[in-house]
Amino acid sequence: NAGVTQTPKFRILKIGQSMTLQCTQDMNHNYMYWYRQDPGMGLKLIYYSVGAGITDKGEVPNGYNVSRSTTEDFPLRLELAAPSQTSVYFCASSYTLGDLIQYFGAGTRLSVL
Amino acid sequence: DQQVKQNSPSLSVQEGRISILNCDYTNSMFDYFLWYKKYPAEGPTFLISISSIKDKNEDGRFTVFLNKSAKHLSLHIVPSQPGDSAVYFCAARGNGGSQGNLIFGKGTKLSVKP
Repeated sequence: NAGVTQTPKFRILKIGQSMTLQCTQDMNHNYMYWYRQDPGMGLKLIYYSVGAGITDKGEVPNGYNVSRSTTEDFPLRLELAAPSQTSVYFCASSYTLGDLIQYFGAGTRLSVL
Repeated sequence: DQQVKQNSPSLSVQEGRISILNCDYTNSMFDYFLWYKKYPAEGPTFLISISSIKDKNEDGRFTVFLNKSAKHLSLHIVPSQPGDSAVYFCAARGNGGSQGNLIFGKGTKLSVKP
């Protein structure tokens, strides 16, 4: 019953470093999403994917890249980390686009110093 | 420019009493409204939803009311329990070109005191 799994749970990066946030789901969902939540703010959509090989930008895509080579995995890449990317990142999945219920991972807390 | 607004960052309620969490929105094209609940160190989980053509939806202790003319919705929890202590996010689903994308409010932290 794993659902959506995110790794790592915590990470500290220096300015200019790069990293990949991992996300995998075992529910055979076609749709996957990446959100960020800044302190005191709501979740904002970074990128989403409607299936393997297909991704699209959300509200705040700048500074991030994604890929979707399999149904299960949807990694988020930060190429040149900046302090403005300090946030909690959530990955989510749903069976269809427009599903009211999205299943979220536990999040990755990232600090860029 | 927030399309979904939760103006109360926190709410404290006594166990057994009613909790009322409020949410306002600006876009009349939203077709569904949702509430998600989030415990510390966990991801949000879906709680309840309401279609824009309804004015009330009930699920056990949780009831969501929608007032379209006022662009306002509220979540009622009766009776409140200590396990309800969490952050509650109001969200709305866009239709048309952004169908499926959820727009979240900032959240309201509910504390239910025994």
